[in-house]
Amino acid sequence: KNEVEQSPQNLTAQEGEFITINCSYSVGISALHWLQQHPGGGIVSLFMLSSGKKKHGRLIATINIQEKHSSLHITASHPRDSAVYICAVSRRPHKIIFGKGTRLHILP
Amino acid sequence: DAGITQSPRHKVTETGTPVTLRCHQTENHRYMYWYRQDPGHGLRLIHYSYGVKDTDKGEVSDGYSVSRSKTEDFLLTLESATSSQTSVYFCAISDTRDRVTQHFGDGTRLSIL
Repeated sequence: KNEVEQSPQNLTAQEGEFITINCSYSVGISALHWLQQHPGGGIVSLFMLSSGKKKHGRLIATINIQEKHSSLHITASHPRDSAVYICAVSRRPHKIIFGKGTRLHILP
Repeated sequence: DAGITQSPRHKVTETGTPVTLRCHQTENHRYMYWYRQDPGHGLRLIHYSYGVKDTDKGEVSDGYSVSRSKTEDFLLTLESATSSQTSVYFCAISDTRDRVTQHFGDGTRLSIL
């Protein structure tokens, strides 16, 4: 069993829809990360969370430490949000475990 | 964006040849990492460095070596490339004060024929 599981693997939605991507993990962590990888390949860090909720523009990330679960939400989705979203957890310095990613496609 | 440059960005070579990928940073970060990304897998750590001349293995280090002679450069070498090493390779850096946050390079697409 993978230590970090993301769902769904693929998601296609219409522009303007509210998007939720889920991440579950099975190990103790010091922090959880959400990353975005655009079709060109570059990877950008969106959020780092150790508790609660963070918001940046139309993106919201939440984490429930007790349930070992995090969600990434996108409000008013736009085609430029199309990307692969990666959940990763930090267990200790240098030990980061990455999920396989969720491929999001927003249709205009 | 963090100043990280990977070179080359694309490379095609033959089985058995040596290959070196370079990661250059202008952020003076202490920690540097090499990952590979393959379909069906998350990013996997190959090697990392926690200072000049200080390196350690990650989870998929077999067939790879690294060197860090200067803070700004971290080299990944495939001594004798195999087709299983065809992948996209990412370099990442992180600050000493917050080692859990990493900034990524744009990746190197390597094809071993």
